[in-house]
Amino acid sequence: EDQVTQSPEALRLQEGESSSLNCSYTVSGLRGLFWYRQDPGKGPEFLFTLYSAGEEKEKERLKATLTKKESFLHITAPKPEDSATYLCAVQSSSGAGSYQLTFGKGTKLSVIP
Amino acid sequence: SQTIHQWPATLVQPVGSPLSLECTVEGTSNPNLYWYRQAAGRGLQLLFYSVGIGQISSEVPQNLSASRPQDRQFILSSKKLLLSDSGFYLCAWSRGQGTEAFFGQGTRLTVV
Repeated sequence: EDQVTQSPEALRLQEGESSSLNCSYTVSGLRGLFWYRQDPGKGPEFLFTLYSAGEEKEKERLKATLTKKESFLHITAPKPEDSATYLCAVQSSSGAGSYQLTFGKGTKLSVIP
Repeated sequence: SQTIHQWPATLVQPVGSPLSLECTVEGTSNPNLYWYRQAAGRGLQLLFYSVGIGQISSEVPQNLSASRPQDRQFILSSKKLLLSDSGFYLCAWSRGQGTEAFFGQGTRLTVV
């Protein structure tokens, strides 16, 4: 069974204080790892897809990296508007999991001005 | 560009009443379609997915059902709602395996 664990559950940062969010996963062959941002009361917004260990993707202050067991979402010099819940999901390359995303519970990020 | 529409945004229904949530996708053809439920403190749970018209796979046995009457239309239904059906329901689409899913804005369902 595919599993995704995100840590920490919640993170408070001062504006400009860089940090990283962790996503550990177990999957029977990784087809893709996905990062989303979710604002309260809204649907998740797609950020990145990573396919293989060593791959990196960047978007503004966010950078996602992938190893064979985990992914990190690095946030550089965050701003208050970066406050949201960040979700990690995996899709496996075989079985029923190859048609769905398995999500972690998310990390709730609060950036204080 | 592709867009996904999900409605209604909020819904309050009494126990035992029926449910119908609708989701449509524009700007693409033959998408994979998904219904997820998100409960407080829990991750998104896949309820149903569909890879084509009339093809529905259920991931979790429950009081709900899904149908795909048209290529870009996905409907979540229940004949009789339970209190435990309350939650945030999300529709999503993807181009296929290994591709990202795009979500609608969700429906907040409260069963009273």
